[in-house]
Amino acid sequence: DAGITQSPRHKVTETGTPVTLRCHQTENHRYMYWYRQDPGHGLRLIHYSYGVKDTDKGEVSDGYSVSRSKTEDFLLTLESATSSQTSVYFCAISEDRVLYFGPGTRLTVT
Amino acid sequence: QKEVEQDPGPLSVPEGAIVSLNCTYSNSAFQYFMWYRQYSRKGPELLMYTYSSGNKEDGRFTAQVDKSSKYISLFIRDSQPSDSATYLCAIGDYKLSFGAGTTVTVRA
Repeated sequence: DAGITQSPRHKVTETGTPVTLRCHQTENHRYMYWYRQDPGHGLRLIHYSYGVKDTDKGEVSDGYSVSRSKTEDFLLTLESATSSQTSVYFCAISEDRVLYFGPGTRLTVT
Repeated sequence: QKEVEQDPGPLSVPEGAIVSLNCTYSNSAFQYFMWYRQYSRKGPELLMYTYSSGNKEDGRFTAQVDKSSKYISLFIRDSQPSDSATYLCAIGDYKLSFGAGTTVTVRA
C-alpha cells in the first residue's frame, strides 16, 4: 500500500465550514498529489507537491489550498466547503512516475 | 477537449471472454502509459505500466501503446469474476491525466 494513510476516512460537513484532509507517507517520497474522483470524471488533479514547501496547482484547484511543511505530510484544505466539493479524495505518491494511492477520504458537504 | 478520453462502458462479459479497453489522448509529448484497476470503495492500484509504443504482457493482461495514433489499449484474456472492477487509463509524466474509467463486470 506504499505506506500511505489518509485521515479522516469519512467526513460530513456543512457548507461554508473549513475542512482539512491529511495525507501521511512513511517512505520519504518527494512527489505527493491530491486527486478527487467523481462519477463520469475519473480522477482529477487538485494540487501536487514536489518537495517541502514546493507545491503547484492541478486542473481543479479552485477552492482548495495545500501545505507541505514536512516530507511525510501533505494537507489539503477546503477554505469554505461547498456542495460541489462532495467527492472522494485520494492522496498519491510518485515512484518512478508511477502513482500509488492511499485509501481515500469520502467527503460529504451538506 | 479532455487530455484523455476513455470508452465509458460499462462492459458486461461472460467468464472466459476477452475484455478490450481503450483510451485516446491528445498530447503527443506524453511518454508514460499506465492502467489502473479500482475495486469498489478502494483506491486505484497499478495494473500495467509501459513507456513508449509497443506491447507489454503480464499474465492474462496485455497493454498496447500506439503513439502514432495516440491510442492505448488493455486486453484481459480468460476473464474471471475477480476481474470485475473499474479500469482507468493514465497518461503523462510526473503529472498523470486519467480517463474517466470503464466499469467491467465478468459474469460467472
